[in-house]
Amino acid sequence: QSVLTQPPSVSATPGQRVTISCSGSSSNIEINYVSWYRQLPGTAPKLLIYDSNKRPSGIPDRFSGSQSGTSATLGITGLQTGDEADYYCGTWDNSLSAYVFGAGTKVTVL
Amino acid sequence: EVQLVESGGGLVQPGKSLRLSCAASGFTFDDYAMHWVRQVPGKGLEWVSGISWNGYTTAYVDSVKGRFTISRDNAKNSLFLQMNSLRPGDSAFYYCAKTVGTGQDWYFDLWGRGTLVTVSS
Repeated sequence: QSVLTQPPSVSATPGQRVTISCSGSSSNIEINYVSWYRQLPGTAPKLLIYDSNKRPSGIPDRFSGSQSGTSATLGITGLQTGDEADYYCGTWDNSLSAYVFGAGTKVTVL
Repeated sequence: EVQLVESGGGLVQPGKSLRLSCAASGFTFDDYAMHWVRQVPGKGLEWVSGISWNGYTTAYVDSVKGRFTISRDNAKNSLFLQMNSLRPGDSAFYYCAKTVGTGQDWYFDLWGRGTLVTVSS
């Protein structure tokens, strides 16, 4: 059971928008920034969003992040077949004194 | 090229030890904290351990405390993970990751490709 809760899967057709939720608690998301990672099949994770809503250089603005209270959300607009991957949220948990990840959400492009 | 390259994985019997290494290049290694994250094939990510830029501060997930030791050699741009008393549940891909941030607000901005550890008799 992950400390951060993500939906196991989301799907949409090309061009549509999807959102992935990440639900935590007062010891993690409520007080620390969330980051998001994308993992394409057979590859290492890659940073998508940091500090809740910032994009690293090279990440298109189709990807966005937000955070409020004990939840965070990743949004992907203009969905592409190349976006099929697993997406993970992560943050530090003050109670566990550990970095925690969600269980991951598989995005399927129909 | 900015990269992290892990090595040292392999098949090991339960109760034995293994030492993972991570070679960093393309950035000033001793400016950053470094971490190990693992992933059972087909499963999610689990943070394992982290070490401050100077090696003075370390942290571990509860399941590896007392068995794993993280260390670094800034002169050789290298990160290590000494894994003792290995268990089948430690079997996973182990990723080396560089972090950026301050206090408890940090994130993994660079990942290696991983090295596979299999603990089995």
